[in-house]
Amino acid sequence: GQNIDQPTEMTATEGAIVQINCTYQTSGFNGLFWYQQHAGEAPTFLSYNVLDGLEEKGRFSSFLSRSKGYSYLLLKELQMKDSASYLCAALDSNYQLIWGAGTKLIIKP
Amino acid sequence: SAVISQKPSRDICQRGTSLTIQCQVDSQVTMMFWYRQQPGQSLTLIATANQGSEATYESGFVIDKFPISRPNLTFSTLTVSNMSPEDSSIYLCSVQDREGQPQHFGDGTRLSIL
Repeated sequence: GQNIDQPTEMTATEGAIVQINCTYQTSGFNGLFWYQQHAGEAPTFLSYNVLDGLEEKGRFSSFLSRSKGYSYLLLKELQMKDSASYLCAALDSNYQLIWGAGTKLIIKP
Repeated sequence: SAVISQKPSRDICQRGTSLTIQCQVDSQVTMMFWYRQQPGQSLTLIATANQGSEATYESGFVIDKFPISRPNLTFSTLTVSNMSPEDSSIYLCSVQDREGQPQHFGDGTRLSIL
């Protein structure tokens, strides 16, 4: 079956760095997405990786290893507004998105 | 990216009734999707809304319960029929320009059934 695993919850300190991991098992692979979802709001697109390596976008970076079925989202210089759920989603061979359950990130002052 | 307007933003309904949720996009998009998200849970795809033809439903979802319309490339509706408390959830529409591109979401409809 197809599956996405990511931690349920993480806690970090304002100003610090946090890495949210995601492992995936899919029938074929056409890329991996990260979304941010604040409580009570819709998910918003953060990043997309299809090739191995690191994609940097300001304070956020996303990494992909296709051979390991692994990705992470790296958040630097954490701010209180980064408190949210972070959803990992993999695109399978039929271009269907397989969603993880999300990682709730709690930022403490 | 496209501006997506979803209505209503929330509703409280009586069991046995039906509610239609609307999703309007400010530009033509190829793909439109309907999701359900229960509190603390991941997104579950209900169906892909196909323009001019019947929607493509995922396992566990049927047209009689969740009829979907998509009359053109900018608008879709999802009806939640004969509602029960188990249908209490957030319903989200999303749009995508083409396969492999990110999906972008409307603000969601928070539905509670009494």
